[in-house]
Amino acid sequence: QKEVEQDPGPLSVPEGAIVSLNCTYSNSAFQYFMWYRQYSRKGPELLMYTYSSGNKEDGRFTAQVDKSSKYISLFIRDSQPSDSATYLCAMTPNQAGTALIFGKGTTLSVSS
Amino acid sequence: DVKVTQSSRYLVKRTGEKVFLECVQDMDHENMFWYRQDPGLGLRLIYFSYDVKMKEKGDIPEGYSVSREKKERFSLILESASTNQTSMYLCASIGAPRGPLHFGNGTRLTVT
Repeated sequence: QKEVEQDPGPLSVPEGAIVSLNCTYSNSAFQYFMWYRQYSRKGPELLMYTYSSGNKEDGRFTAQVDKSSKYISLFIRDSQPSDSATYLCAMTPNQAGTALIFGKGTTLSVSS
Repeated sequence: DVKVTQSSRYLVKRTGEKVFLECVQDMDHENMFWYRQDPGLGLRLIYFSYDVKMKEKGDIPEGYSVSREKKERFSLILESASTNQTSMYLCASIGAPRGPLHFGNGTRLTVT
């Protein structure tokens, strides 16, 4: 079983839809969870950063962590064409960077 | 805002050439990283450095070396480029011990 699993998509939704992006993981030691957004021909940019279980909201974006199920989600409300990108989840046990494990990314397309 | 700058967006090199990829960050970060990103394989860590003149191998260091002579600059070296090193190369840095990674925009290297 891979450490982090992420459905590659592609996922296509109409503008205004609620989008749910998910990752599952196997290592119960993961405590720090991140979502990155990557536009075509650009580097990943940090979208959300959470510690342990619970929810975190930032504008139209909500990150959710369920450590008991080893499952994390990113919800996008009122999706916009500008949200079209690849979304990468990432996680680490205790020190970000050196032990960061990435999902392979989900490609999202929002049509107007 | 953290700025991680990669000197080249696109590079085309011939098999056997020595290739230098340069990365500079402007936030006095200790830790710097080189990843490569390939379709279907996601992000893979090549090398990282947690201080000047210090380096550590990541998951796929074969065929690569690195140099960190100054805190702000981290170079990736392909001693003898091969076609299987055609990829998107991403530099990243991290400041706080548990902070998120900040990425540059990437260098798309083609080896012919």
